[in-house]
Amino acid sequence: DTGVSQDPRHKITKRGQNVTFRCDPISEHNRLYWYRQTLGQGPEFLTYFQNEAQLEKSRLLSDRFSAERPKGSFSTLEIQRTEQGDSAMYLCASSSGPSLTIETQYFGPGTRLLVL
Amino acid sequence: AQRVTQPEKLLSVFKGAPVELKCNYSYSGSPELFWYVQYSRQRLQLLLRHISRESIKGFTADLNKGETSFHLKKPFAQEEDSAMYYCALSGFNSGTYKYIFGTGTRLKVLA
Repeated sequence: DTGVSQDPRHKITKRGQNVTFRCDPISEHNRLYWYRQTLGQGPEFLTYFQNEAQLEKSRLLSDRFSAERPKGSFSTLEIQRTEQGDSAMYLCASSSGPSLTIETQYFGPGTRLLVL
Repeated sequence: AQRVTQPEKLLSVFKGAPVELKCNYSYSGSPELFWYVQYSRQRLQLLLRHISRESIKGFTADLNKGETSFHLKKPFAQEEDSAMYYCALSGFNSGTYKYIFGTGTRLKVLA
């Protein structure tokens, strides 16, 4: 296991198109997180899963965004009708442990999205 | 408002000099505090967290609840410490899970 992986690493799309990103967490980790990072900012929390259940969604996650983790393993983040403001790095992280707030989150390399 | 503030975008120090990266937070409740580091062309990784009271790569951070600060310190900077550093907090607020990062400080250690 080489850590959290994300696919694709880069995505260029035209405004109005739908895009889907995939995240494969570390295999034994039951929690999975999505973040968005724009230039000059720190990562912003979007949502997290515990196993297959999506337990928290940020207000940043508009109706055009949907995330799934169907079998409690990999996760997908879909953005519908992309806008130029969606251009960002999308980061995935995973963790496991007794307490959500203190666990070490292991980050993937990110998917860089550019919306033209 | 809940936020993490890192006032310096860039901090340049000479090798062997002390380093202090500032982090202040605003949060209702008792959050957990973390420092993350991102080296060039590498992924974001945890450097240290308050609860562990650890020193990693010579770095330490002290939580000051009175000043709501969690500054990162190292007595003697090394060139390999050059990286982007993010302060973050986590916690529950009104039943909602929060994980908030600061905007980051780029540390450059000069030879």
